[in-house]
Amino acid sequence: GAGVSQTPSNKVTEKGKYVELRCDPISGHTALYWYRQSLGQGPEFLIYFQGTGAADDSGLPNDRFFAVRPEGSVSTLKIQRTERGDSAVYLCASSLALGRAYEQYFGPGTRLTVT
Amino acid sequence: DAKTTQPPSMDCAEGRAANLPCNHSTISGNEYVYWYRQIHSQGPQYIIHGLKNNETNEMASLIITEDRKSSTLILPHATLRDTAVYYCIVPNQAGTALIFGKGTTLSVSS
Repeated sequence: GAGVSQTPSNKVTEKGKYVELRCDPISGHTALYWYRQSLGQGPEFLIYFQGTGAADDSGLPNDRFFAVRPEGSVSTLKIQRTERGDSAVYLCASSLALGRAYEQYFGPGTRLTVT
Repeated sequence: DAKTTQPPSMDCAEGRAANLPCNHSTISGNEYVYWYRQIHSQGPQYIIHGLKNNETNEMASLIITEDRKSSTLILPHATLRDTAVYYCIVPNQAGTALIFGKGTTLSVSS
């Protein structure tokens, strides 16, 4: 079946601009996660949603980062006033439910480059 | 949150078994151990997970020691396509986030 999809696959933006990154989870998955991966590092947790609500946003680096999931399916990660340090691959994952026993399925990521 | 320790790199000949070790000495009794891998330029791919018992699926086997302080991921017949970074992960206490380290880079050669 269809996996997690993310758009765009690549995004180049200028410092100070606003960007939106989209994630389409696997159909029926109620839990959705965002991670960020810098070069040479493992993915770093940003935020997760259970349904429409952001249940844990402790990984968001600062208030320039925000994510929504208004209908409990598609999610958008929004970054305001982008900085060069925001350049990374942004990964989205979904799982059937929330909890230790449920594996997360990842999308291919969006590579964000801030010039 | 429990931490994991893995060797930074390993080599394996094609067709041989690849045994990837992981230490998670601070794991608590109800925490699962997950293994993911990441092939270059792709998102991480789930492989297997376990709590206490050994597990096997179509991709790999997971051997967890009785004290649960370490585990080994076994790819029984490695192929060139198994070249990837392999992550051993213990989720955070709430089970909501995967805590990735730097993983083990497995290189399979012919």
